[in-house]
Amino acid sequence: QKEVEQNSGPLSVPEGAIASLNCTYSDRGSQSFFWYRQYSGKSPELIMSIYSNGDKEDGRFTAQLNKASQYVSLLIRDSQPSDSATYLCAVYSYGNNRLAFGKGNQVVVIP
Amino acid sequence: DAGVTQSPTHLIKTRGQQVTLRCSPKSGHDTVSWYQQALGQGPQFIFQYYEEEERQRGNFPDRFSGHQFPNYSSELNVNALLLGDSALYLCASSETGVVTNEKLFFGSGTQLSVL
Repeated sequence: QKEVEQNSGPLSVPEGAIASLNCTYSDRGSQSFFWYRQYSGKSPELIMSIYSNGDKEDGRFTAQLNKASQYVSLLIRDSQPSDSATYLCAVYSYGNNRLAFGKGNQVVVIP
Repeated sequence: DAGVTQSPTHLIKTRGQQVTLRCSPKSGHDTVSWYQQALGQGPQFIFQYYEEEERQRGNFPDRFSGHQFPNYSSELNVNALLLGDSALYLCASSETGVVTNEKLFFGSGTQLSVL
């Protein structure tokens, strides 16, 4: 079982719609959760961090965490063409003392 | 305030050669992590350096080695290059601390092509 799984294929959403991305993780002791955005050919950029169960909102982004289900998600509201990128889920466990990444989900926002 | 800087940006090598990649962390950061990102995949953890020592290591062979200098900058060395080593190599820095040390800031990466 992979440490962090993002299984959805490329996601195409119309401009102005909501994009929803999901991620599951295997280490129940994981304590910190992140979403990174990566444009093609560029390095990952941190856009959201979440540490406790529930929702965390930052602008058009909302991260949701459910530790019981070992599940973290990202919602992008009012999607813009500039949101077209790959979104990486990352999970940190103090036991491992390192950040583990999923393979990413590509989002394409169609004008 | 300079962010994380990596050099070179692109590199082409042939199989069997050796390569050294360099990284300077963000100001105030003392921990450097290296990741390998193959095309279409997420970054894979290679190792992390703190206080000039390798603190954590991922599932990479001994051909991958590193170093951290007193000014916190770091090098990644790869010996006996294989075609499969072709990837984007990312350096990320963070500051030591229970709460914040996992929040990574990435450099722009070095694209390594092995022919």
